[in-house]
Amino acid sequence: NAGVTQTPKFRVLKTGQSMTLLCAQDMNHEYMYWYRQDPGMGLRLIHYSVGEGTTAKGEVPDGYNVSRLKKQNFLLGLESAAPSQTSVYFCASSYSSHYGYTFGSGTRLTVV
Amino acid sequence: AQTVTQSQPEMSVQEAETVTLSCTYDTSESDYYLFWYKQPPSRQMILVIRQEAYKQQNATENRFSVNFQKAAKSFSLKISDSQLGDAAMYFCAYFTGNQFYFGTGTSLTVIP
Repeated sequence: NAGVTQTPKFRVLKTGQSMTLLCAQDMNHEYMYWYRQDPGMGLRLIHYSVGEGTTAKGEVPDGYNVSRLKKQNFLLGLESAAPSQTSVYFCASSYSSHYGYTFGSGTRLTVV
Repeated sequence: AQTVTQSQPEMSVQEAETVTLSCTYDTSESDYYLFWYKQPPSRQMILVIRQEAYKQQNATENRFSVNFQKAAKSFSLKISDSQLGDAAMYFCAYFTGNQFYFGTGTSLTVIP
């Protein structure tokens, strides 16, 4: 039972490059989320999805886009990476909005 | 806006002793949930304990218990019989709607 899997685990980008982070869950969860974690701060919500084909903005959505074409996958895209997007990104999924929350192990992204 | 404050950036405890981590939050909501998450160096976010705001009884999970004071908007975590494996960053989190709001974390060191 894999739970929530994030790909890749580490990545270094140059300013202006684009990339997509993949989150996959095998628990048939309806809800999926992308968070970022910066030093000295807790996790902050970027975008989330309450079901296949739906997405919504969280607390810090600027510079990111997301897609949920399949229930099990939630993609986070950076169209033009900036150094301010250097962070650790966490994906999570949940059975309901507040129950059965499971986090992935994170992706460390560095933008130089 | 919802805010979660953890006023202790670092704490230490002797092995087998008890330690309490503080958390306060600010909200005008009446229906919400409170959580403590543990993040070891592996980065994995691990649920420690969960409290529904409508429940007056404090949640307990083995050696972990909370002191939930709704009127004071306080949600502290007590770890009894501390073990070396308890060393980690601990995050207090408030959940309402579809979003978590995390505190900035408390780094717990367990001294053998």
